[in-house]
Amino acid sequence: DQQVKQNSPSLSVQEGRISILNCDYTNSMFDYFLWYKKYPAEGPTFLISISSIKDKNEDGRFTVFLNKSAKHLSLHIVPSQPGDSAVYFCAASASNTGKLIFGQGTTLQVKP
Amino acid sequence: NAGVMQNPRHLVRRRGQEARLRCSPMKGHSHVYWYRQLPEEGLKFMVYLQKENIIDESGMPKERFSAEFPKEGPSILRIQQVVRGDSAAYFCASSPRTGGAIYEQYFGPGTRLTVT
Repeated sequence: DQQVKQNSPSLSVQEGRISILNCDYTNSMFDYFLWYKKYPAEGPTFLISISSIKDKNEDGRFTVFLNKSAKHLSLHIVPSQPGDSAVYFCAASASNTGKLIFGQGTTLQVKP
Repeated sequence: NAGVMQNPRHLVRRRGQEARLRCSPMKGHSHVYWYRQLPEEGLKFMVYLQKENIIDESGMPKERFSAEFPKEGPSILRIQQVVRGDSAAYFCASSPRTGGAIYEQYFGPGTRLTVT
């Protein structure tokens, strides 16, 4: 039972353009969502989060959008840079638990 | 401010041996989480601990796996009688979570366990 899904295994964009990574969830108890970036042989690095009481959160080049009715969130990276090339994981949590439920990840490649 | 520390970074064990993975949380964090990443998969929650307490172990295999977070010292994930299917990357995360609030979890670099 995959409660958090990232349906695109990979994404390739040109440097300077926008990268849009998508994530869907099924559990309506989730009320906090996070994006992590991961390089090979390293641990995930926290990027940005959003609470279910908001529909948008912005931090520099990174913006996360949440559509609760569609149970969908997306991460926008503008402008994309070659250093953004990594695996991006979407994660969700319910406030009465501590655990994060992760999607399968999307590999982003930003071409110079 | 040191991040989450994990050791060893790489661990090789023969089938039937024991594996001990250690995690020191970030300073000021009292909540520790263990996740496992199998090849070509996302991270899967295993266990959530506070000092001297297991809060949620719903992701732990029923046998051979145990975890602790003692009053003093690092959190330990212990795998007894390892099998080849235990080969994976094991990540520890910590957060300052208190009460019912949710905080971001910060991850260590992981321990890559290889069972031969």
